[in-house]
Amino acid sequence: EDKVVQSPLSLVVHEGDTVTLNCSYEVTNFRSLLWYKQEKKAPTFLFMLTSSGIEKKSGRLSSILDKKELSSILNITATQTGDSAIYLCAVEAGGNEKLTFGTGTRLTIIP
Amino acid sequence: DGGITQSPKYLFRKEGQNVTLSCEQNLNHDAMYWYRQDPGQGLRLIYYSQIVNDFQKGDIAEGYSVSREKKESFPLTVTSAQKNPTAFYLCASSILDRAETQYFGPGTRLLVL
Repeated sequence: EDKVVQSPLSLVVHEGDTVTLNCSYEVTNFRSLLWYKQEKKAPTFLFMLTSSGIEKKSGRLSSILDKKELSSILNITATQTGDSAIYLCAVEAGGNEKLTFGTGTRLTIIP
Repeated sequence: DGGITQSPKYLFRKEGQNVTLSCEQNLNHDAMYWYRQDPGQGLRLIYYSQIVNDFQKGDIAEGYSVSREKKESFPLTVTSAQKNPTAFYLCASSILDRAETQYFGPGTRLLVL
């Protein structure tokens, strides 16, 4: 059974701090790892990491895939209150046509 | 505007009642999905469909049923057999075999009276 674990479950930091969110996985035939941000309702896509694209960056957000350790991190630098959200990690395994999600990390940024 | 719509936004269910959640997309996506989200549990897959008139069970299909009569529509019925239906339900769609294109609807919150 495919498994995705995220840590920490929740995190509270002050505005301007840097945070690192973790995602580890156990799947058969890994294909890709995806990060989403969920503020109030629908998750929105952030990054997709694959064997051929193990590092992605967009503004203050960046993510790295470690295929050896079967894990990924999502970094957010100079955090802002608008970064407060649940961050979801999901893994796609080949042949399944579906994503397995982790429990998410609830990030709260204090002004 | 292309996107996914879910209705209703809130739904109340009485004991022993079946209720149906609507999901419609105009993105011309072949694949559609239903997820359930509970606090601290992330998203869990209920059912998914890759083509009209065909669908597969996800990880927590018991107590739910779906149909896919049209490409644009993938309604979810929460049956009376689902003993703990209170949750946030998310519908998504994607281009076939392209998980990174999975686009989510705004969700329906189901509450039991």
